[in-house]
Parts: sequence; C-alpha cells; structure tokens
Amino acid sequence: QKEVEQNSGPLSVPEGAIASLNCTYSDRGSQSFFWYRQYSGKSPELIMFIYSNGDKEDGRFTAQLNKASQYVSLLIRDSQPSDSATYLCAVNPGGTASKLTFGTGTRLQVTL
Amino acid sequence: GAGVSQSPRYKVAKRGQDVALRCDPISGHVSLFWYQQALGQGPEFLTYFQNEAQLDKSGLPSDRFFAERPEGSVSTLKIQRTQQEDSAVYLCASSPEGRRFDQPQHFGDGTRLSIL
Repeated sequence: QKEVEQNSGPLSVPEGAIASLNCTYSDRGSQSFFWYRQYSGKSPELIMFIYSNGDKEDGRFTAQLNKASQYVSLLIRDSQPSDSATYLCAVNPGGTASKLTFGTGTRLQVTL
Repeated sequence: GAGVSQSPRYKVAKRGQDVALRCDPISGHVSLFWYQQALGQGPEFLTYFQNEAQLDKSGLPSDRFFAERPEGSVSTLKIQRTQQEDSAVYLCASSPEGRRFDQPQHFGDGTRLSIL
C-alpha cells in the first residue's frame, strides 16, 4: 500500500462544474496536508494546506480533512479550463520529520 | 529573487559523468529540501537541510548522490558517475522553518536531467 494514494485520472469535468479530487494516506499520525497544482513541465505550485479536521475555503478552492478516515479532498468550484493540470496531494508526517510524501497526482481536464 | 531559483534548467550528461545542480532558496528560508520527480510520478524526497545542517538524507538513492549547503543558503546536489536511471526532474523547495508541520514548502522550477 502506498503511503499517499490518489486516482491518476484523468478526471474530466465541464467548465463551470465542481471538480472533486481525493486523497487517502496511510500514516494515521500525519499532521498536515497540502495540495499542489502542477502544469506540464512546471514546478508544483501550492494551492492550499490544511491541518485541522473540517473544511478550509480559499476562493474557489475548498480543502476537506477527515483524520479518522485518513482522507483529504480538494473541491474546485466553477472549474475553468486554466484549472486543467495535475493536482498533487502531499502529507507531512509531523514531529521532527519535515519531508513531504506525495501521491502520484490526479490529472484534471476541464472541458469547454 | 522572490522565489526558489534552480540552475541549470536543463542538463544533459553522458552516463558516467558527474553533475552538479544548484538551488538558491527564498531569502531568509531556513529549511531546504531536494526532491526527485520521475515522469508521471509525484516528487520523492531526497534530503533536507536546516540551515547548513543536513538533518535527513534518508531519500538519497545511493552513495553517488551528495548534497551540501555550506553557508546555510545556496545548496548543491551532486550526482557522481551518473546512470540512466538518474534521469528525472530534480526539484528544490524551501520553507521558513521546516520543523513546523504547518509551514508549506515552495518549489523552484526544477532541473530536468537527462542521462544519455
């Protein structure tokens, strides 16, 4: 079992719809969770991070965390073609460990 | 500059050659990380510095890989006797204080390394 799992996609949604991206993790002690967006050939760009159970909203983006279920998600409202990219879920185990463990990413395609 | 700067952006080397990749983190960031990203995969952790101290090198795949950050700012990742499996994008990231779990890491544009 991979430490951080994501569906590789592609996830295809029409313009204006809500895109829902999901991620599960295996280390129950993990403390913080990050969503990065990566365009082809570019570096990961931070979208949001969350470390408390519940929802965190920032503009069109909402991150949701459920530590009991070891599940984190990213919702993108009013999806735009410019949102088409690979979305990487990353987990920080916390404590003195600072490295991020990434999933393989979900490719999102927003269609016109 | 405002962001993490990496050079070169592209590096082509013949198998067996040594290469050096440079990272200039965001000014004032204490923590610096190196990741390796293979095509179609997420980044994988290589090593971590807190100032000039290399606190975690558990992700370095072999003793051919060596990283340093002698003055606590610029870092260099060196790969000796390169092999074809070393071909990947090497990403550098920095954060203000990496030991805090709530601080995100900011990535540079990476160095795409191709070994012929």
